[in-house]
Amino acid sequence: DAGVIQSPRHEVTEMGQEVTLRCKPISGHNSLFWYRQTMMRGLELLIYFNNNVPIDDSGMPEDRFSAKMPNASFSTLKIQPSEPRDSAVYFCASSFPTGMNTEAFFGQGTRLTVV
Amino acid sequence: SQELEQSPQSLIVQEGKNLTINCTSSKTLYGLYWYKQKYGEGLIFLMMLQKGGEEKSHEKITAKLDEKKQQSSLHITASQPSHAGIYLCGAQSGYALNFGKGTSLLVTP
Repeated sequence: DAGVIQSPRHEVTEMGQEVTLRCKPISGHNSLFWYRQTMMRGLELLIYFNNNVPIDDSGMPEDRFSAKMPNASFSTLKIQPSEPRDSAVYFCASSFPTGMNTEAFFGQGTRLTVV
Repeated sequence: SQELEQSPQSLIVQEGKNLTINCTSSKTLYGLYWYKQKYGEGLIFLMMLQKGGEEKSHEKITAKLDEKKQQSSLHITASQPSHAGIYLCGAQSGYALNFGKGTSLLVTP
């Protein structure tokens, strides 16, 4: 398997524009996670899905952020409108929890810069 | 919510030296994960600890979980430049993992 695939790897956009980040989880994994990483706050969990259903979105910063998982092989994280403070690296991860083990496999991340 | 504090925040060691990174939880850990992140890349899983007193090793990296399951340490023996990166501890919370802020390691020749 190619692992978790994220696109784009880099995104530069102007403030106020809509940004869509994409993720393809590992085939067979039924949990998907979106994280945001910044120097100040570290790696923060934004939202996670189990069997395509959002389970916990308490980490989503505000209504400008939305995430969808229309099927088991695709998810998007959308920011509309984007702001400079949204600049960060966004990671997608997937897992197949078994018993007490929930090892997550991470994508390479999307580095977002909002100017 | 469970908070994870890592120390030190950053570390510079000379090649060949040993080092230890600590991860302390505000609550009992029911699954503690160690990941490594190379600069500009994603996270790579190192190992997972569940039982109090458990210890696991992979090559020159050893991780331990204390008996009370509120603290873990990661020890690297005879560090090499390939060990450089950010080390993050993560605690299981439901299906997800919550992470500490990471420890940045630089290994100098």
